[in-house]
Amino acid sequence: DVKVTQSSRYLVKRTGEKVFLECVQDMDHENMFWYRQDPGLGLRLIYFSYDVKMKEKGDIPEGYSVSREKKERFSLILESASTNQTSMYLCASSSPSLGGNEQFFGPGTRLTVL
Amino acid sequence: EDQVTQSPEALRLQEGESSSLNCSYTVSGLRGLFWYRQDPGKGPEFLFTLYSAGEEKEKERLKATLTKKESFLHITAPKPEDSATYLCAPRSNDYKLSFGAGTTVTVRA
Repeated sequence: DVKVTQSSRYLVKRTGEKVFLECVQDMDHENMFWYRQDPGLGLRLIYFSYDVKMKEKGDIPEGYSVSREKKERFSLILESASTNQTSMYLCASSSPSLGGNEQFFGPGTRLTVL
Repeated sequence: EDQVTQSPEALRLQEGESSSLNCSYTVSGLRGLFWYRQDPGKGPEFLFTLYSAGEEKEKERLKATLTKKESFLHITAPKPEDSATYLCAPRSNDYKLSFGAGTTVTVRA
């Protein structure tokens, strides 16, 4: 069964802290994605990666960075957390070699920045 | 810029009362339209991919259809376990998904 895991379900941080969100997939997928989800706005793409050590900006990259040192792991970094980064963060993975290239999502991390 | 609008925002149904959800989209070069189901506090779960106008896909009580500008998700004789938020996401030329805000469906027994 395909699986995407995220390091924390709930996280509370203070303004200005550096925050790391980890995502691991066990499906050998090439593509990995980070989204944030806010009420009424849907999922918005922050960053994605098509290969190890490769990254591309999504629609809302400001205030975030990412790291992909291994194929199965994709990390999202909030350099200096701010209250407007309070949100649900979702990681996903996909493979272009799998028919429809559908994305499989992790359970999400609900981050609160105080 | 890609745009996706889902309607209605919320839908309350009685068990067995069939209905449809709408997803209107404007994307440059559609490379598939994806439907997902999301339960509260969980990540989205993949349901269907549609690629061309006229295509239909079915899964249990759900049927998705696609036209050039819209997709519909039909729920036939829904049960309480069909309660969830349903998300549509067209994929554009650069293979990014653009998600709608979703339709939250509540089915009462």
